[in-house]
Amino acid sequence: EVQLVESGGGLVQPGGSLRLSCAASGFTFSDHYMDWVRQATGKGLEWVGRSRNKAKSYTTEYAASVKGRFTISRDDSKNSLYLQMNSLKAEDTAVYYCARLSTEGQPKDFDSWGQGTLVTVSS
Amino acid sequence: QAGLTQPPSVSKGLRQTATLTCTGNSNNVGNQGAAWLQQHQGHPPKLLSYRNNNRPSGISERFSASRSGDTASLTITGLQPEDEADYYCSTWDSSLSAVVFGGGTKLTVL
Repeated sequence: EVQLVESGGGLVQPGGSLRLSCAASGFTFSDHYMDWVRQATGKGLEWVGRSRNKAKSYTTEYAASVKGRFTISRDDSKNSLYLQMNSLKAEDTAVYYCARLSTEGQPKDFDSWGQGTLVTVSS
Repeated sequence: QAGLTQPPSVSKGLRQTATLTCTGNSNNVGNQGAAWLQQHQGHPPKLLSYRNNNRPSGISERFSASRSGDTASLTITGLQPEDEADYYCSTWDSSLSAVVFGGGTKLTVL
């Protein structure tokens, strides 16, 4: 069974930093692209960024709203995805989801999601 | 970043058919198609359809996706109470090099 478990959320002051983790199990983590997606309370889904797999040289992409402040990394030996968030703003307050992109002949779409971890940026 | 356009809400009766739309442009929906996600309150999203309109394993045949030009559609037949949820479309935008989402459609089953 595919499982994605996020951790590391919490309350942080504006301008502060936080590191989120996503522990994956039940599939070959190294084969998959992995994304972070966030959702503010009562709002829609917002893409944060992507980590591609080793075959694509672990390249990353970021939403314009977080570029230069957030960094996505992964450790395939630990089946883990990370999101380092710096210079946090109030508008970064959201539930952050780790999501797996599909493979095996299908388009790369979000086929598995974690339960999310809440990040609150407030003084 | 510009997103995809979805109607904020759709209401239909029990056992009726609902069609949800998602409009983008030639850099996203028109080129890549759109995936569809269902999200119940307090839960993470769930994939209903890939961008090629295929359903993942375990998804009911009542959900079917299609595309015409820059607009993707999700049709839900025989509406059930459990279909009441938020529905999002998503795809890759080749000009932005980013994933774009629709704003979501809240489906109410009367």
